[in-house]
Amino acid sequence: GEDVEQSLFLSVREGDSSVINCTYTDSSSTYLYWYKQEPGAGLQLLTYIFSNMDMKQDQRLTVLLNKKDKHLSLRIADTQTGDSAIYFCAERGNYGGSQGNLIFGKGTKLSVKP
Amino acid sequence: KAGVTQTPRYLIKTRGQQVTLSCSPISGHRSVSWYQQTPGQGLQFLFEYFSETQRNKGNFPGRFSGRQFSNSRSEMNVSTLELGDSALYLCASAPTSGGLYNEQFFGPGTRLTVL
Repeated sequence: GEDVEQSLFLSVREGDSSVINCTYTDSSSTYLYWYKQEPGAGLQLLTYIFSNMDMKQDQRLTVLLNKKDKHLSLRIADTQTGDSAIYFCAERGNYGGSQGNLIFGKGTKLSVKP
Repeated sequence: KAGVTQTPRYLIKTRGQQVTLSCSPISGHRSVSWYQQTPGQGLQFLFEYFSETQRNKGNFPGRFSGRQFSNSRSEMNVSTLELGDSALYLCASAPTSGGLYNEQFFGPGTRLTVL
């Protein structure tokens, strides 16, 4: 079956870089996503990467994809206190009832200390 | 463009009752998906509706059902509520269903508490 794994917590100091890691199982995933959830809010799409890419950069965000190891990472440069949130890695399901919809990791809670 | 709206934002029910949650997608979007978020299980896919038809369904009991109207608004219903149904229910809309890339936009969620 399809599964997405992430570490649950990450704590960094303001101004440092944050790296959030994720592994997935479905090698046929076409798109992989990073979502952000702030307290009491829904999910906000931060960025995505297509499976034929190795890297994607968008301002302070860099996504790295190692398709061989099925490993995805999100790097946030110059992390700010406003970046404190839960970050979800997600892949699009390709099998059975979840086909075409998102399969999420449990989320990584990022805490940024001033 | 207005975003995805969900009503109500908060709901308190007791065991055995039923509940209906509503989701209005972004104008022009025809796909609505529902997800359940709990601390223990994380985010789990419930079902997707497209053009008033259920396209996909996750692994949830039959107490969870939904529908979509001709204006793409969707409702989900949970009957015979259990304590374990306490969760944040998120709705996501997308322009279409499936396809190579189909970004889902999430609403703020409905927080359901079952006592």
